[in-house]
Amino acid sequence: GQQVMQIPQYQHVQEGEDFTTYCNSSTTLSNIQWYKQRPGGHPVFLIQLVKSGEVKKQKRLTFQFGEAKKNSSLHITATQTTDVGTYFCAGSGAGGTSYGKLTFGQGTILTVHP
Amino acid sequence: GAGVSQSPSNKVTEKGKDVELRCDPISGHTALYWYRQRLGQGLEFLIYFQGNSAPDKSGLPSDRFSAERTGESVSTLTIQRTQQEDSAVYLCASSLVGSATEAFFGQGTRLTVV
Repeated sequence: GQQVMQIPQYQHVQEGEDFTTYCNSSTTLSNIQWYKQRPGGHPVFLIQLVKSGEVKKQKRLTFQFGEAKKNSSLHITATQTTDVGTYFCAGSGAGGTSYGKLTFGQGTILTVHP
Repeated sequence: GAGVSQSPSNKVTEKGKDVELRCDPISGHTALYWYRQRLGQGLEFLIYFQGNSAPDKSGLPSDRFSAERTGESVSTLTIQRTQQEDSAVYLCASSLVGSATEAFFGQGTRLTVV
């Protein structure tokens, strides 16, 4: 079945440092989404990537979708304490029983030290 | 409603009892997802509905778990003969058009089996 792996599991940074989390799927994806979950909260949608090689930016956040549509990354420049939380990627299968199913990676827990 | 609503928000139950968790999705959303999140862990896929049909039930951990959706609206997740390992937060999400659009999460039901 479709599996989505995410690394690292934890990342501790000093405020102002950069942060990157990586996502890899065992199968080709039709799209990938990124979510952020603050401590004690529920996941909140950040962005969706659909096209091969797509790059999208949201202020200090840069999202990439691989050429083969099997991997993705989220990069945060100059982290701030407000960036604290768990970042999840979620992949949607390209066909078969995976189509329509949104499979989440394990998440990367980001802590930012002021 | 304005968002995805889950009830109850907290449930403490005795081992061996049955529980029902309810999810009211955003009106008009055709897709509905159930996930389980243990403390400090990622989102474990349980089941998703497209309309009232469940194309993929592969994530249900055992035959003690079942889910249904009626009227392309409310969904209930039932856990029979609860075990301590069922303790977790159960999250429901809905999206307008399956996994091609962003998923909106409810606040979750925190289930504690004692």
